[in-house]
Amino acid sequence: DAMVIQNPRYQVTQFGKPVTLSCSQTLNHNVMYWYQQKSSQAPKLLFHYYDKDFNNEADTPDNFQSRRPNTSFCFLDIRSPGLGDAAMYLCATSLDSLSYEQYFGPGTRLTVT
Amino acid sequence: KNEVEQSPQNLTAQEGEFITINCSYSVGISALHWLQQHPGGGIVSLFMLSSGKKKHGRLIATINIQEKHSSLHITASHPRDSAVYICAARKGYGGATNKLIFGTGTLLAVQP
Repeated sequence: DAMVIQNPRYQVTQFGKPVTLSCSQTLNHNVMYWYQQKSSQAPKLLFHYYDKDFNNEADTPDNFQSRRPNTSFCFLDIRSPGLGDAAMYLCATSLDSLSYEQYFGPGTRLTVT
Repeated sequence: KNEVEQSPQNLTAQEGEFITINCSYSVGISALHWLQQHPGGGIVSLFMLSSGKKKHGRLIATINIQEKHSSLHITASHPRDSAVYICAARKGYGGATNKLIFGTGTLLAVQP
């Protein structure tokens, strides 16, 4: 089945140690999004790619970066994770600007020790 | 005040009951999503609608654009329906972004 896949589902990293979260999609969608969701809060959009064009939200910390080497894959890099970065990270995709539905992956739960 | 408001925040129901979750928004939108999230889990998209009504199994979603209000109904509720239900409004009208404005969610617990 076509889907949005996130690996790993659970990630533990140490304070200050760089970590990369992965998202892949078999939907051939143009747009890929990364959200951060902290406990009991709504998801917060960090950034998105429209094809190769990167769009950062104004309040996304510089500590968060993203890469999209091809249509299928998108990575979230946290350069120096702090304890406050512990959260669920959700990847989503949408076909393009004419199709509004977003398809979400299962998420990666990040723990920072 | 949040641009997207949900009520109730918490809801407990007995198995078999008819459930309604409400969502009101204060901005112009092009579509509204209903999402489901089980505790500790990822998000599943239930509906996306811009007018009228949609039905999928025991789930029904309605939207009234003039009143800026949407409802999610669950018929014959079951304990496996226990989850957080999130209303999210999309403000963009085309272009490169589909930015969603999320409601605070409704935590539903269906007891057997």
